[in-house]
Amino acid sequence: DGGITQSPKYLFRKEGQNVTLSCEQNLNHDAMYWYRQDPGQGLRLIYYSQIVNDFQKGDIAEGYSVSREKKESFPLTVTSAQKNPTAFYLCASQKRAGGSTDTQYFGPGTRLTVL
Amino acid sequence: QQPVQSPQAVILREGEDAVINCSSSKALYSVHWYRQKHGEAPVFLMILLKGGEQKGHDKISASFNEKKQQSSLYLTASQLSYSGTYFCGTGGSSNTGKLIFGQGTTLQVKP
Repeated sequence: DGGITQSPKYLFRKEGQNVTLSCEQNLNHDAMYWYRQDPGQGLRLIYYSQIVNDFQKGDIAEGYSVSREKKESFPLTVTSAQKNPTAFYLCASQKRAGGSTDTQYFGPGTRLTVL
Repeated sequence: QQPVQSPQAVILREGEDAVINCSSSKALYSVHWYRQKHGEAPVFLMILLKGGEQKGHDKISASFNEKKQQSSLYLTASQLSYSGTYFCGTGGSSNTGKLIFGQGTTLQVKP
């Protein structure tokens, strides 16, 4: 089955730690996205990538980093510089880069809690 | 700029109709509608492209008024399964696939 997987489903982090959230897709999609969702809020874009080895900052990139070494993988690292990282993190992919007419498909999400 | 959705929340009885609006201050190229159940990923409903195209999916349809920079989602004869939070995501004409999402409209359908 084709789809997007995210792991872990739940993640707990101590203050000062860096953690990495995994996102993998086997849809052969070019573009991938990371969003953050806070309770009762919409989705805010953290980073996106339209092609392997290239990525751009979204609206709230501070305190986060990404890599895109393989087409199917787009991991997100939440660094200690992110002051309020507790949130629901969603990864999405899109078939073609460079246009807003393609559907974005979402993974099941990772809920990150800072202890 | 984030699109504005209205209403913020709505409660319906099964069989009743609802309309959810999404308005933007910027010119729109596309509008994407999603439904999200609590704790789950958003599920795609439909895309509308500029040109006033109206689409339908079962008893859920949507319109896109390019001049007004607004889209509306119509839920007809609502079912319990329609409960959730509805988001619109707006796309511009730039050469990225970026979407800007509204704050969401929570819909609760009661028996």
